[in-house]
Amino acid sequence: SQTIHQWPATLVQPVGSPLSLECTVEGTSNPNLYWYRQAAGRGLQLLFYSVGIGQISSEVPQNLSASRPQDRQFILSSKKLLLSDSGFYLCAWTPRLETQYFGPGTRLLVL
Amino acid sequence: SQQGEEDPQALSIQEGENATMNCSYKTSINNLQWYRQNSGRGLVHLILIRSNEREKHSGRLRVTLDTSKKSSSLLITASRAADTASYFCAITSGGSNYKLTFGKGTLLTVNP
Repeated sequence: SQTIHQWPATLVQPVGSPLSLECTVEGTSNPNLYWYRQAAGRGLQLLFYSVGIGQISSEVPQNLSASRPQDRQFILSSKKLLLSDSGFYLCAWTPRLETQYFGPGTRLLVL
Repeated sequence: SQQGEEDPQALSIQEGENATMNCSYKTSINNLQWYRQNSGRGLVHLILIRSNEREKHSGRLRVTLDTSKKSSSLLITASRAADTASYFCAITSGGSNYKLTFGKGTLLTVNP
């Protein structure tokens, strides 16, 4: 069966520090991968999606970036975090382009 | 915006009662999906309804879709305390079946 992992689960970082969040999917190949951010009490905002290795589409201009170095690995990065980057980051994958399967999320607090 | 909008923002009911949540959107859709999120967790897919369908059932869940009104409803029958969660609708539209646009969600509280 397929599983999706995210780490770390929780992260507290100072403003201006770098960021690296990792997402991996097991049990499938060539998935579409997604990064979302969820502000407290709000819906999900799509940040990036990828349909293949090295193929990244950005939905919202910001100081974040994404990379897909391997088929089932999706990384969210920042060189310098802002206070506004705080939130709940969710990774998701889809095998058939419709239903998405979400990871457990990473809660990021930027101080 | 193509974003789905849920209504109400929050709903509190007693165990055993039915819960109805609504979602409205602004554009033509390919499909509409409902997801559930327990506090601090990832989202879980509940049900997908296509634009040419009007109603779908899954266990205690019933989803309706009215494309003329650009709206959908999610009914949870005989609610349980374990149904307490946030519920989101999400749509795909145009040529983008691989991108979901989520609403802001309805927070459902089921009191025992």
